[in-house]
Formats: sequence, structure tokens, C-alpha cells
Amino acid sequence: SAVISQKPSRDICQRGTSLTIQCQVDSQVTMMFWYRQQPGQSLTLIATANQGSEATYESGFVIDKFPISRPNLTFSTLTVSNMSPEDSSIYLCSVSGTGGGEQYFGPGTRLTVT
Amino acid sequence: GEDVEQSLFLSVREGDSSVINCTYTDSSSTYLYWYKQEPGAGLQLLTYIFSNMDMKQDQRLTVLLNKKDKHLSLRIADTQTGDSAIYFCAETSGGGADGLTFGKGTHLIIQP
Repeated sequence: SAVISQKPSRDICQRGTSLTIQCQVDSQVTMMFWYRQQPGQSLTLIATANQGSEATYESGFVIDKFPISRPNLTFSTLTVSNMSPEDSSIYLCSVSGTGGGEQYFGPGTRLTVT
Repeated sequence: GEDVEQSLFLSVREGDSSVINCTYTDSSSTYLYWYKQEPGAGLQLLTYIFSNMDMKQDQRLTVLLNKKDKHLSLRIADTQTGDSAIYFCAETSGGGADGLTFGKGTHLIIQP
């Protein structure tokens, strides 16, 4: 399975600021995804991070609020822009495995907006 | 949109079998997954099953898929205190190329 790291692991930010979350994988992967897990809730897909092109966003998520970069096959960033307390969540990246079907998750970034 | 439903809580005695159930609506699901999340931790992929299979077994874990009824279950044999966690069911219709749709998770509570 892929080894996935995220930075930072947690942060406390003031409203109106932005935070960039990094996701690093120890091997090249085709697909990378970003999810949000609001407190006590399930996971919701934010977007698919496409290498070399713009990310594909799910309904309810927009590029201006959650810009994503994917400069190569092992790295991606998610920025949470102009934050409000409602953005307080755990943000997780995931990658598809090589066996066909499996998807692995990073440890998550716990964001608190005050 | 597509939906995945799970019971919120399941309580079992230590040593008994746990059966966590999940239903989904996407008739074109290709893969179905079970993830485990312990308090304060990330998501651990427990197992997944391709939609043309009806059963998969891995040590203490048995996954059953009834594609006709769109029903997925996870059986944990000889449940231990370390199995206490939230178990998420998830599905995708795009193989490894699409993201997953998750259920709300089932809290598995182990009684001594």
C-alpha cells in the first residue's frame, strides 16, 4: 500500500485567512483525491486532483474556495481560502492503489478556524 | 445523488461476531469498501470487494455482497476491544479513477 503524509497535521487559523495543506505519496500514483470530514460526520469528496490540468470539483465545492495543485504524480496541495468557522474539519487526501480498486487515505489535517 | 446508508451504532459482546450492514443506491457500483477509523486517527482500508464477487474473506473479516438488493455487510469474527471504532462503508462506480461515496459510519461498541 502507498505511504501518504500530510502537512500540517493540525492547525488553528483565524477567519479570513488561507491555509495550504500538502499531501505527499511515497510512489507515483495516477489518481489523488481530497475529502472533507466535518466534526462527527462522514467524508465528502471535494475534488479529484488531476496531474497537469485543473482539478475536477464535486457539486458544492468551487475552485476559488478550494484551489488545488497537482504538479507531479506524488504531490498535491489543497488550499482552504478565506476561512470561516464552518471550514473547521479534517481534510484528507487519498490515492488509488496499483491493484485496481483500492484507495488509501492520508492521516488527515485537522483544521480549526476561530 | 447516490446514497450509502448504515446504522449509526452496533453493540456486541467481546468474543461474539459483529455484523455491520450497509445499503447503497448506485446500481453501477464497481467497488465497495470497508474502512475503520479509530478516535483521532485516519482511515484504514480494511477490505474492498469488486461488484462481480459475492463474498471475500480475510482472516477475521468476511464481506458479503448482495448486488440484487444493493446490500453489503462486514462480519468481524471473535470481536475484540481493539475492534472498537467507526466503520465506514463506501462505494465507487469508476473503479480506481473516481472518488468514493461514504456512509455516515457505524460506531462499533464492545461490551466486556
